[in-house]
Amino acid sequence: GAGVSQSPSNKVTEKGKDVELRCDPISGHTALYWYRQSLGQGLEFLIYFQGNSAPDKSGLPSDRFSAERTGGSVSTLTIQRTQQEDSAVYLCASSFGSGVGETQYFGPGTRLLVL
Amino acid sequence: QKEVEQDPGPLSVPEGAIVSLNCTYSNSAFQYFMWYRQYSRKGPELLMYTYSSGNKEDGRFTAQVDKSSKYISLFIRDSQPSDSATYLCAMSLAGATNKLIFGTGTLLAVQP
Repeated sequence: GAGVSQSPSNKVTEKGKDVELRCDPISGHTALYWYRQSLGQGLEFLIYFQGNSAPDKSGLPSDRFSAERTGGSVSTLTIQRTQQEDSAVYLCASSFGSGVGETQYFGPGTRLLVL
Repeated sequence: QKEVEQDPGPLSVPEGAIVSLNCTYSNSAFQYFMWYRQYSRKGPELLMYTYSSGNKEDGRFTAQVDKSSKYISLFIRDSQPSDSATYLCAMSLAGATNKLIFGTGTLLAVQP
């Protein structure tokens, strides 16, 4: 079946502009995660959605970052007033549940470059 | 100091070699340990998942966890050029199994 898909694959924007990144999780997966991968850095947890529960936003680096998940499926990560340090690969993952041993399946990522 | 340390490499080995990839961590509360493989311009994919100290084998891959030393390893036997990728270790706490803390990744190149 289809895996996690993300769009766009690449995004180039100017400093100060807002960007929206989209994630389509695997059908039936209740948990959805956003990570950021910067050059020389590991994957950094940003936010986690589980079903209808309030999201865990503890990894968002500033209030310029927000995310929503509509209808328990598609998610959008929004970065307002982008800065050059926001340049990174933004990865989305989904899992069937959120219990012990649940595998997170990753999408290919969106490569964001802020000029 | 990062919670999870991983040598970024790059590590270059000849085909057929045994590869050893390692991570150290500082938080003794980590309970679950994973290894992910990431090919260029792709998302990471789960290779191995372990819980307790000791070894877990899956084909050519062996994951080893030493909680007393806060050290985990991934061994790849009979390495192949198709194993060339970045290998990321990840771990999580018992009460937050879904929030993964990743190492920076080790870039491995297996030369034919």
